[in-house]
Amino acid sequence: QVQLQESGPGLVKPSETLSLTCIVSGGSISNYYWSWIRQSAGKGLEWIGRIYTNGATNNNPSLKSRVTMSVDKSKNQFSLKLRSVTAADTGVYYCARSGYFYDSTDYFYVFDYWGRGKLVTVSS
Amino acid sequence: QSILTQPLSASGTPGQRVLISCSGDSSNIGHYPVNWYQQLPGSAPKLLMYGNSQRHSGVPDRFSGSKSGTSASLAISGLRSEDEADYYCAVWDDTLNGWGFGGGTKLTVL
Repeated sequence: QVQLQESGPGLVKPSETLSLTCIVSGGSISNYYWSWIRQSAGKGLEWIGRIYTNGATNNNPSLKSRVTMSVDKSKNQFSLKLRSVTAADTGVYYCARSGYFYDSTDYFYVFDYWGRGKLVTVSS
Repeated sequence: QSILTQPLSASGTPGQRVLISCSGDSSNIGHYPVNWYQQLPGSAPKLLMYGNSQRHSGVPDRFSGSKSGTSASLAISGLRSEDEADYYCAVWDDTLNGWGFGGGTKLTVL
C-alpha cells in the first residue's frame, strides 16, 4: 500500500520560502507524476503543480514563478519550495500521486494516493 | 478562483437522492473525463469516481456520475449519514495546462 507523508516547518515568516518534502513509502516513486495540492482554511482545493520522476514539471500559472519542485529518486521523495510567501499562502498542503486506470481504450488519470496534509501558517 | 463551478452546499434526508453539479467549459470538462473526490471532515480527500462514471474500488453503487457537454454530475442515492462530506470535481484543463478543481460542495445529511 502506497503511503505519502508530508514534512516541513509548520510556520513560515512572510516573504520567506515555504519548503515541504513528501516521502513515498510502499512503492516506487518512478514512472509517476507527483503533485502538490493545497487547501486554505474553509476553502477548496488548489492544484499547485506536479513533477515527473525525470524532473519535468507543470505549475499552476496563478502561482507564477514562485514554485520550484524537485524529486530525489534515491530517497523516494519529492519536494516543494514556494518563495515570497504571504498570509494568503497559509493552508493545508497535500502531496498526491497521479495514478491511472486503463479500460482497454482509454487512460484515466487520478489522484489515487494522498498524504495526510501539512498545515503551514505564514505569520511573523 | 476555481475553474469549475459547483454549488456551495447540498442537503438531503436519509434515503433521499441528491445531485451535485460541476460546470466547466470546452478547455476542461468538454474535452477530458471528470473525477470526483470525497473529503470527510478532518481528512485528506479521497478518490470517489473517475472517468466521469467509474466508481473507485470500494465505493458503493449508491454513487454514480455522469457527464454531458461541459457539465458533470455526481448522484448519491439512498443517502446515509456517513455521506456527509465535501465533494470536489476535478479535471485536466488545457488553459491551465494542469489540474483544476471545483470549489467544493458541502453535503449535509439532515
